[in-house]
Amino acid sequence: EAGVAQSPRYKIIEKRQSVAFWCNPISGHATLYWYQQILGQGPKLLIQFQNNGVVDDSQLPKDRFSAERLKGVDSTLKIQPAKLEDSAVYLCASSPGTGAYNEQFFGPGTRLTVL
Amino acid sequence: AQSVTQPDIHITVSEGASLELRCNYSYGATPYLFWYVQSPGQGLQLLLKYFSGDTLVQGIKGFEAEFKRSQSSFNLRKPSVHWSDAAEYFCAVVMDTGRRALTFGSGTRLQVQP
Repeated sequence: EAGVAQSPRYKIIEKRQSVAFWCNPISGHATLYWYQQILGQGPKLLIQFQNNGVVDDSQLPKDRFSAERLKGVDSTLKIQPAKLEDSAVYLCASSPGTGAYNEQFFGPGTRLTVL
Repeated sequence: AQSVTQPDIHITVSEGASLELRCNYSYGATPYLFWYVQSPGQGLQLLLKYFSGDTLVQGIKGFEAEFKRSQSSFNLRKPSVHWSDAAEYFCAVVMDTGRRALTFGSGTRLQVQP
């Protein structure tokens, strides 16, 4: 079974530029998560989708971050404009459902460096 | 709000020695508890989880964890560490109701000496 795919793996941009990340979850997984992991910290949830609807985006900085999950499959996360503090690894995860007992499967992440 | 504390930022053990990584959580009811491992350049992998029942849970790669309600702890253990266990370990919690995304601790980096 293929895992969660993410691209690109690495991205370097200058502040005030825009950037987009892509995630393809495990086939059939209804729930998709985007996490931000700053160096030295644990991942922090940015947004959670159930199919193509948003379940939780309370910690998404909506003035600069946006995410969509068209057709309830793959998803994109965008930052516009980027700030220095956005340098982090962006992790995508998917699970079969929203129940707490559902294991979340993580992709390898995209490492963003903002100069 | 729920929170997870991993008091040890960095631990070094010798290969073959036993290991215990500490995790404490703050939450009013019994949460769902998880341990994940993150190797360099790889995604997070689930080691084990606790939902209810037996407070000692077995996971992959020879790891186990014990839930202690009185101490609000969920410590991870391994009797004999292998060099390949060097990685970062994260404890995480999910509430049964409401927000169901994982809340992670800040992680413990494990180094294994030959």
